[in-house]
Amino acid sequence: EDKVVQSPLSLVVHEGDTVTLNCSYEVTNFRSLLWYKQEKKAPTFLFMLTSSGIEKKSGRLSSILDKKELSSILNITATQTGDSAIYLCVVPSSNTGKLIFGQGTTLQVKP
Amino acid sequence: DSGVTQTPKHLITATGQRVTLRCSPRSGDLSVYWYQQSLDQGLQFLIQYYNGEERAKGNILERFSAQQFPDLHSELNLSSLELGDSALYFCASSVTGDGYTFGSGTRLTVV
Repeated sequence: EDKVVQSPLSLVVHEGDTVTLNCSYEVTNFRSLLWYKQEKKAPTFLFMLTSSGIEKKSGRLSSILDKKELSSILNITATQTGDSAIYLCVVPSSNTGKLIFGQGTTLQVKP
Repeated sequence: DSGVTQTPKHLITATGQRVTLRCSPRSGDLSVYWYQQSLDQGLQFLIQYYNGEERAKGNILERFSAQQFPDLHSELNLSSLELGDSALYFCASSVTGDGYTFGSGTRLTVV
């Protein structure tokens, strides 16, 4: 059965800290992995990763995929209170196209 | 604005009632996905439509049904509502099967 697992489930840090969120997957015919940020409402797209070893970067956020280890990490440097959210790792099932979600990592950044 | 429109934003209704949630996908997107997010659970896939036809079914109760119309908008019908149906219902759309855009969700409260 296809599965996406995130760790940690919850994280509390102070502003300025760097965090690393982990995602591992077991998905048949893997094609891509996506990271989303969910605050109060809809998940908003962060990154889509398809190739191993190529880092994607957007401001203080970056992510990389390791197809050999079936995993991905999302890094956030110099965290701010506005980074507080649930971060979702998602892998589309190539058979159905439906999204397989990890449990999410709840990040709380304290001032 | 993500381009995916969901209405209504909030809905409060009594047990036993029936409601219809509506989703208009982003322009050009043929696939529509419905997800349920309860307080204690992650996003649970309900159903997917592609160009008017059901493509995949997830953990959707028999009391729930959906359809996608020729103009590609979709409706999710929830009937015989129970307290446990209270949740955020998200709609997402995609064209390629890799990139997904979420609507802002409909918060359903069953009292």
